[in-house]
Formats: sequence, structure tokens, C-alpha cells
Amino acid sequence: DQQVKQNSPSLSVQEGRISILNCDYTNSMFDYFLWYKKYPAEGPTFLISISSIKDKNEDGRFTVFLNKSAKHLSLHIVPSQPGDSAVYFCAASEDNYGQNFVFGPGTRLSVLP
Amino acid sequence: DAGVIQSPRHEVTEMGQEVTLRCKPISGHDYLFWYRQTMMRGLELLIYFNNNVPIDDSGMPEDRFSAKMPNASFSTLKIQPSEPRDSAVYFCASRRSGTPNQETQYFGPGTRLLVL
Repeated sequence: DQQVKQNSPSLSVQEGRISILNCDYTNSMFDYFLWYKKYPAEGPTFLISISSIKDKNEDGRFTVFLNKSAKHLSLHIVPSQPGDSAVYFCAASEDNYGQNFVFGPGTRLSVLP
Repeated sequence: DAGVIQSPRHEVTEMGQEVTLRCKPISGHDYLFWYRQTMMRGLELLIYFNNNVPIDDSGMPEDRFSAKMPNASFSTLKIQPSEPRDSAVYFCASRRSGTPNQETQYFGPGTRLLVL
């Protein structure tokens, strides 16, 4: 039973438009969340994180929104660029000092020129 | 900095054979993690070490899997005997303690394992 779900296995977006990647979780003890980005033949790299004390965290073109009551978070990329085409993993932990992160299955984003 | 190094990058083997995956963490990092990525389950943490000592191996799927870290610069993940359902990409990651944010976990490029 997956504790972190990314229900869209893939997403296609036109260059310059907004990409919205969604993530849902079931464990109410999770309070620290990350997004990782993965290019083919490479390991995942950290993108952005959010703690449960916030509902939004922004870093350049990337913004993560957290809705704790709905157990839902989303990653917005504006504007989307072809170089953003990758697999995006959502991950959650019970605290940001913990080592046991639970990852979602990933969403493959394709940004079309 | 060379980053986390994994070898081999690809491995094709037959069912029943022993498979050994290798990892060299980033120098100075005292945590090392082994993950497995599959289409169905995404990224799963298998085991992690701190200062070469296994801390949590609850993610190791069964006794056919074992991991060792004989020193700070080397770790192995062994599957014996291998089965077709072990086919996946195996990632190694490392981080330095004292950094509270999980974004400081650096992943290697992965080993793609195919068991026929």
C-alpha cells in the first residue's frame, strides 16, 4: 500500500506554460516533503522541499504548495522549459532529520518546444 | 568532486546467479543509502549505514539481499540468488551528518539490473 502517490505517470506541457505535478500521501505523521528530479541515466537530484509549518515554498521557477488537511502537495513550474523534461519524484518523511524517506512512483514530465 | 560512484552501470545476469553492486560515497559523507527503483513501487529505501554501521535494513526485501560497508569509502549490495523480480535500477546515495535538510542526500547514477 503506497503511502505516497503520484497518480499521473506522465504529463505533457507546452514550453512557456505552467506544469503542475501532484502528490498525495496517506500518513498524517509526514511533515517534511521534497521533490526530486531525475534525468535518464542519472540519479535523482534534489529540487525543492517544504516543511509542514508552511503551505508554500518558492525557488525561482519552482513552487511547492502543501495542503495538510487534504494530504496533498503540488509542484508548479512556471514557465516550463524543455530542460525541465524529466521524472519528478515526490518524497515524504516524518521529520527532516530522519533518514527514512518514502518516495512516490514518479511523474514523467515532457515539455514540448 | 566525483560525486557518488556506482558500478557496474548495467548488469545482465541469469536467474540464480550472484549479483554484487558497488558504491563509493562522496568523501566525508558518513551516511550511505541503498535504494531500488521499479515502475510499480517507485524509489524504495532498502538499507542505510551511518559510519559504516547498518542502521535500518527494514527495507531489504528478503534474505537473498545483503549489504556491507567495510570502510567509509565502499559499500556493496549483494543478491544471492538473483531472481527476475529483482530487475530494477539500484541507487546508492550519501550525505554528511549535521545537515538537517534531506536535500543534502546525493544520489549516484544507478545500476540497471536485469535478471533473465
